[in-house]
Amino acid sequence: LAKTTQPISMDSYEGQEVNITCSHNNIATNDYITWYQQFPSQGPRFIIQGYKTKVTNEVASLFIPADRKSSTLSLPRVSLSDTAVYYCLVGDRGLRDDKIIFGKGTRLHILP
Amino acid sequence: EAGVAQSPRYKIIEKRQSVAFWCNPISGHATLYWYQQILGQGPKLLIQFQNNGVVDDSQLPKDRFSAERLKGVDSTLKIQPAKLEDSAVYLCASSLFANLAKNIQYFGAGTRLSVL
Repeated sequence: LAKTTQPISMDSYEGQEVNITCSHNNIATNDYITWYQQFPSQGPRFIIQGYKTKVTNEVASLFIPADRKSSTLSLPRVSLSDTAVYYCLVGDRGLRDDKIIFGKGTRLHILP
Repeated sequence: EAGVAQSPRYKIIEKRQSVAFWCNPISGHATLYWYQQILGQGPKLLIQFQNNGVVDDSQLPKDRFSAERLKGVDSTLKIQPAKLEDSAVYLCASSLFANLAKNIQYFGAGTRLSVL
């Protein structure tokens, strides 16, 4: 099972770069790594997805080492509005079927 | 592009009553998901449809929960009868494909259910 492990919570300050690391030791060869962001009273929102090395979009960067057993979501120059829960997902292959499973995520709190 | 639409946004019922939630996915998305999210936890998949067929309902409490997607587009999730522990946010999501490896889901705002 490709279980993911993330820190439960993180605090940072406005203007800082925030890095959230996710461990996924049993990631399958063809799995992508996907990150979602969830604000209170909203559904999760797709942020970024990657397979290997580095991916960057207008919101974040995703760093994936060669062994793909972990990944790091990087948020540049965070603001108060980046306070949210961040989820890291990979495929979860059970004995009978495959699933996408959300963990508890990382609760990021940005301070002024 | 319109997002995933859900209604109602909020619902308050008493235990043992029935309730239904509605979801309209993004146009063209073949896969539809219903999740239950209890406060402080990540979303838990209840059921996944591929067009109008069920792909995964292993975590759906079938004695009280039911869901349908008759025409392969919009979907309803029903709880009958509701229990106190059903208080949660019910999220609907859709994706273009069911491909697990590269799956990107688009979520609605959810329905917040309070069972009293």
